[in-house]
Amino acid sequence: QSVLTQPPSVSAAPGQKVTISCSGSSSNIGNNYVSWYQHLPGTAPKFLIYENNKRPSGIPDRFSGSKSGTSATLGITGLQTGDEADYYCGTWDSSLSAVVFGGGTKVTVL
Amino acid sequence: QVQLQQWGAGLLKPSETLSLTCAVYGGSFGGYYWNWIRQPPGKGLEWIGEIHLSGSTNLNPSLKSRVSISADPSKNQFSLNLNSVTAADTAVYYCARRVVLSAYGLWGRGTLVTVSS
Repeated sequence: QSVLTQPPSVSAAPGQKVTISCSGSSSNIGNNYVSWYQHLPGTAPKFLIYENNKRPSGIPDRFSGSKSGTSATLGITGLQTGDEADYYCGTWDSSLSAVVFGGGTKVTVL
Repeated sequence: QVQLQQWGAGLLKPSETLSLTCAVYGGSFGGYYWNWIRQPPGKGLEWIGEIHLSGSTNLNPSLKSRVSISADPSKNQFSLNLNSVTAADTAVYYCARRVVLSAYGLWGRGTLVTVSS
């Protein structure tokens, strides 16, 4: 069981928006920054969001991040077939003294 | 463009030691924390630990007793050793460069390590 909880899957039609939730506790999300990654099996994970809502260079503004309390959310607008992948959230857990990740959410473009 | 290239044995027997190495190409080795992260089949990501050029390491307490991470700055490489492996250690192992705390901006392609008798 992952420390951070994500829905197993979300889906939407091309051009629509999806949001992926990441739920934790005060020892992790509540008091630390959250990052997000896109992962296609067999490839290196791709860095999407850091410090809750910042995008690295080259990441389109279709991807956005937010945090409220002990939960974080990744939003993807203008959904494209190329966005079909697994998405993971991650943060530091002060109680565990370790970086923790969610179990991953599979995005399907209908 | 900075790239991480990793390699190591892909098939181990229980009780053996897992050894992986990651090389940094096209960029500086200094100034960053270099990490190992793994993903068991069908499961999420698990942070293993990290090392800095200074030699300081931070390890996941759940694996600390079996893990060592070392670095060779002269070769722009860092390595992971995980001893006494079991089937539960079967996973794709990734090396990664930390940008800020818990954020990894650059990843290797991963190495599948299978532990089986």
